[in-house]
Amino acid sequence: QQPVQSPQAVILREGEDAVINCSSSKALYSVHWYRQKHGEAPVFLMILLKGGEQKGHDKISASFNEKKQQSSLYLTASQLSYSGTYFCGTEISGGKLIFGQGTELSVKP
Amino acid sequence: DAGVTQSPTHLIKTRGQQVTLRCSPKSGHDTVSWYQQALGQGPQFIFQYYEEEERQRGNFPDRFSGHQFPNYSSELNVNALLLGDSALYLCASSGDTEPYNSPLHFGNGTRLTVT
Repeated sequence: QQPVQSPQAVILREGEDAVINCSSSKALYSVHWYRQKHGEAPVFLMILLKGGEQKGHDKISASFNEKKQQSSLYLTASQLSYSGTYFCGTEISGGKLIFGQGTELSVKP
Repeated sequence: DAGVTQSPTHLIKTRGQQVTLRCSPKSGHDTVSWYQQALGQGPQFIFQYYEEEERQRGNFPDRFSGHQFPNYSSELNVNALLLGDSALYLCASSGDTEPYNSPLHFGNGTRLTVT
């Protein structure tokens, strides 16, 4: 039931792009994306809903393929502040958000 | 605008003891979810409270119980603590006007260590 994220870890140089993928075996109501920095709480980035509606961060984009139950988070022109662990959360039934194991992103100068 | 606040920040307990963790949701939020996060893992859903009722529950034993008060604050209780209960416990609040598209706002968590 837990969504699967890939890759598990990625290292970037400032300015480079990255894609993080999230895949579920269950039909989804929505997909959430959060970023957690070491020792801090997860912070909301984006929600993607069935039907194409999106809500979230202006500088981050994502896609949601409802038929395949897959979502991708696109990080472009990465900055040092993008470093952290990214979690996707899949909503299968009302309000119950199940998180993946995380993707650790490191952006180097 | 106060965000989600949790107390205490750290706690050390002995196996077999009981613990109560507390959470005050973000102003305007009426739904509280609790998560357990082991080191290096994603948050694991414990349960969600809305209108003082447990609305959803994850795969956690009955030793984990909760409560929501009329002011929307919440408590997580864990009985008969095991070493494996050592983790960061996160509380997240959300507005319930649109249950399928409400961002979670997390508190900084309570770090529980069971010895």
